[in-house]
Amino acid sequence: QKEVEQNSGPLSVPEGAIASLNCTYSDRGSQSFFWYRQYSGKSPELIMSIYSNGDKEDGRFTAQLNKASQYVSLLIRDSQPSDSATYLCAVTPSNNNDMRFGAGTRLTVKP
Amino acid sequence: DGGITQSPKYLFRKEGQNVTLSCEQNLNHDAMYWYRQDPGQGLRLIYYSQIVNDFQKGDIAEGYSVSREKKESFPLTVTSAQKNPTAFYLCASSITGPWPQHFGDGTRLSIL
Repeated sequence: QKEVEQNSGPLSVPEGAIASLNCTYSDRGSQSFFWYRQYSGKSPELIMSIYSNGDKEDGRFTAQLNKASQYVSLLIRDSQPSDSATYLCAVTPSNNNDMRFGAGTRLTVKP
Repeated sequence: DGGITQSPKYLFRKEGQNVTLSCEQNLNHDAMYWYRQDPGQGLRLIYYSQIVNDFQKGDIAEGYSVSREKKESFPLTVTSAQKNPTAFYLCASSITGPWPQHFGDGTRLSIL
């Protein structure tokens, strides 16, 4: 079982729709969870951090965390073509010394 | 502006050659990391360092070496022992521990 798993996609949504990206992790002791956006050929940029169960909203983005189910998700409301990118889920394992990344989900928002 | 600077942006390695990728940060972050990304894949950890003069191997350290003589700098050497070095190399830093990492712009390494 991979430490951090994401659906590789590609996920395609029409402009204005809600995009839902999912991630599961294996280390039950993980405490910190992050979503990064990576445009093609560029480095990842942090878009959301979440540390406790529940929802965290920032503009059009909502991160959801359920530690009991070892599941973290990212919702993008009113999706725009500029949201087209690969979204990486990252988890800090219980040793808190490094970060584990999923393989990423490629999102395409069609005008 | 605070940030992470990686150089060069593109690098070519000849057979049997060692090459060094530079990573400098002026964010006053304690922790620094090196990742490798292959096309269509996620990030794999090569080495990380939590403090000066100390570093730990990640999942794919074989064929790579690092040093951390200064807080601001964490260079990565790709040795000739790394037989498949073609990849996108990313350096990151964080305050410490569980805090989010911030990335440099990356170095693309190819074999001549």
